[in-house]
Amino acid sequence: NAGVTQTPKFQVLKTGQSMTLQCAQDMNHEYMSWYRQDPGMGLRLIHYSVGAGITDQGEVPNGYNVSRSTTEDFPLRLLSAAPSQTSVYFCASSSGTGYQPQHFGDGTRLSIL
Amino acid sequence: LAKTTQPISMDSYEGQEVNITCSHNNIATNDYITWYQQFPSQGPRFIIQGYKTKVTNEVASLFIPADRKSSTLSLPRVSLSDTAVYYCLVGGNNNDMRFGAGTRLTVKP
Repeated sequence: NAGVTQTPKFQVLKTGQSMTLQCAQDMNHEYMSWYRQDPGMGLRLIHYSVGAGITDQGEVPNGYNVSRSTTEDFPLRLLSAAPSQTSVYFCASSSGTGYQPQHFGDGTRLSIL
Repeated sequence: LAKTTQPISMDSYEGQEVNITCSHNNIATNDYITWYQQFPSQGPRFIIQGYKTKVTNEVASLFIPADRKSSTLSLPRVSLSDTAVYYCLVGGNNNDMRFGAGTRLTVKP
């Protein structure tokens, strides 16, 4: 059972480039989310989805797009990368839209030069 | 959104019991209290969750007083491998819960 899988694990981009961070879960979870974590800080919610075809903004959505065409996948797109988006990105899923515990991936470390 | 306050860091020694207290004065009636653990270069991992009184699992205990304005995560007999950051979250939905800076626990030999 793989759980939540994120790819790639590391990526370096130049300012202005676009990129998609991939997230897949094999637990048939309805709720999925994306967070970013900056050094010494907690995680901040970027976008979330309560099911296929439904997405919504979190705490820090600017500069990021998401879509949810299937239950399993929830990609995060950076349209025009900026140095301020240098961070570690975590994807998570849970069995419900309420307070059910979230399962996190191991993260994607993204550096933007 | 309920705000939480935790100590920034704590030190302990192997074999001791560790108690980490989280303050959440504006917790709402339908909010749950959830604790996560995070090791370096890994995503957070769920530890325990509760609504009131006491909850215990194989890893930890969670004590919640009647007014629910605080909660205490108790880790029995910690080992070096318990060195991590511990986050307290409060909310009725995952998208309402906010990760603060957490408590960095260092367990010494």
